[in-house]
Amino acid sequence: QKEVEQDPGPLSVPEGAIVSLNCTYSNSAFQYFMWYRQYSRKGPELLMYTYSSGNKEDGRFTAQVDKSSKYISLFIRDSQPSDSATYLCAMSFLTQGGSEKLVFGKGTKLTVNP
Amino acid sequence: NAGVMQNPRHLVRRRGQEARLRCSPMKGHSHVYWYRQLPEEGLKFMVYLQKENIIDESGMPKERFSAEFPKEGPSILRIQQVVRGDSAAYFCASSSPGQFPYGYTFGSGTRLTVV
Repeated sequence: QKEVEQDPGPLSVPEGAIVSLNCTYSNSAFQYFMWYRQYSRKGPELLMYTYSSGNKEDGRFTAQVDKSSKYISLFIRDSQPSDSATYLCAMSFLTQGGSEKLVFGKGTKLTVNP
Repeated sequence: NAGVMQNPRHLVRRRGQEARLRCSPMKGHSHVYWYRQLPEEGLKFMVYLQKENIIDESGMPKERFSAEFPKEGPSILRIQQVVRGDSAAYFCASSSPGQFPYGYTFGSGTRLTVV
């Protein structure tokens, strides 16, 4: 079983739709739960991060973490064509050496059609 | 603030040649991380460095790969005797102590193609 599982999609929705992206994980030692957005030929850009179970909202984006089920979600309301990108979930843990190591899902490619 | 700078953006090497990828961290950042993104795969951690020190290289292949972050200049990821399976996008990220995760910033990557 991989540490982080994410459905790669692709996912295609009409403009204005609500988008739901999900990841599951197996490692209870993960501390931070993050969502990155990656446009084609670009590096990942941090969208949101959370530390504890519950919801965190930022504009049209809501990140949700359920540690008991080892499940995280990202919701995008009123999706726009500019949201078209690959969305990567990532989780971190602190190693013995003191490094913050990120473990990524494979990414879900999202297309929002005008 | 120029962000994390990686060069070259694209690199083509023939099998057996050496590839050198450079990463200049954001101003004020002292920690550098390298990740590799294979086609259809997520990013995988390779190595974590601070100035003149390799802190964690648990994700580095045992042979042909090395990394450094000298006192002066960019961090270098070096791949000797490249093979087709090394073709991937290589990303570096930089951060400063106490700024994780919001200050953990990725560069735009170097796309290595081995022919």
